[in-house]
Amino acid sequence: KAGVTQTPRYLIKTRGQQVTLSCSPISGHRSVSWYQQTPGQGLQFLFEYFSETQRNKGNFPGRFSGRQFSNSRSEMNVSTLELGDSALYLCASSPSRGNTEAFFGQGTRLTVV
Amino acid sequence: GQNIDQPTEMTATEGAIVQINCTYQTSGFNGLFWYQQHAGEAPTFLSYNVLDGLEEKGRFSSFLSRSKGYSYLLLKELQMKDSASYLCAVGVPGANNLFFGTGTRLTVIP
Repeated sequence: KAGVTQTPRYLIKTRGQQVTLSCSPISGHRSVSWYQQTPGQGLQFLFEYFSETQRNKGNFPGRFSGRQFSNSRSEMNVSTLELGDSALYLCASSPSRGNTEAFFGQGTRLTVV
Repeated sequence: GQNIDQPTEMTATEGAIVQINCTYQTSGFNGLFWYQQHAGEAPTFLSYNVLDGLEEKGRFSSFLSRSKGYSYLLLKELQMKDSASYLCAVGVPGANNLFFGTGTRLTVIP
């Protein structure tokens, strides 16, 4: 069974640009959550999608958005990039909602210059 | 808000035992998770506690006291490959996300 796949693995963008990151969950998993990981802050929750609907959202500005498709694949978008958006973005999938074990992807390392 | 605290760094010797503590103050509680993350890799699930007590899984054990808002991860017979960050995370009712501590970077030395 394939794990959680995130693409791309590495990305360098310029301030002001926008970026789209992709996450394919484990087959059969319907819940996808996104986290931002920085050295000083640890993992911070961005949002969670289940059945193509955003179910929960963390404390991030509206520049951060996401969506989920009917096949459970998810994308997150960051517009008007800032230097502080440089981080590792992790996607986690779960079979269903309810704090079950989350399986993480390798992440996308975003660098904003 | 949610507050989860764990030490930033720890060092231990190969073959020894190390205990990584985690304290939490959250609006509700729906389980405590421990993850291991090697540098440049994805976090991997280690343990889940929802009731008080000790859960043992091979060389790793995790303990929970809900009344004290406290957990620890115990690693026995340390190996060099155990050098990694250990993340403590709490689930809260009504949300499917986890609230993470900043992680404890464990270095195992010969």
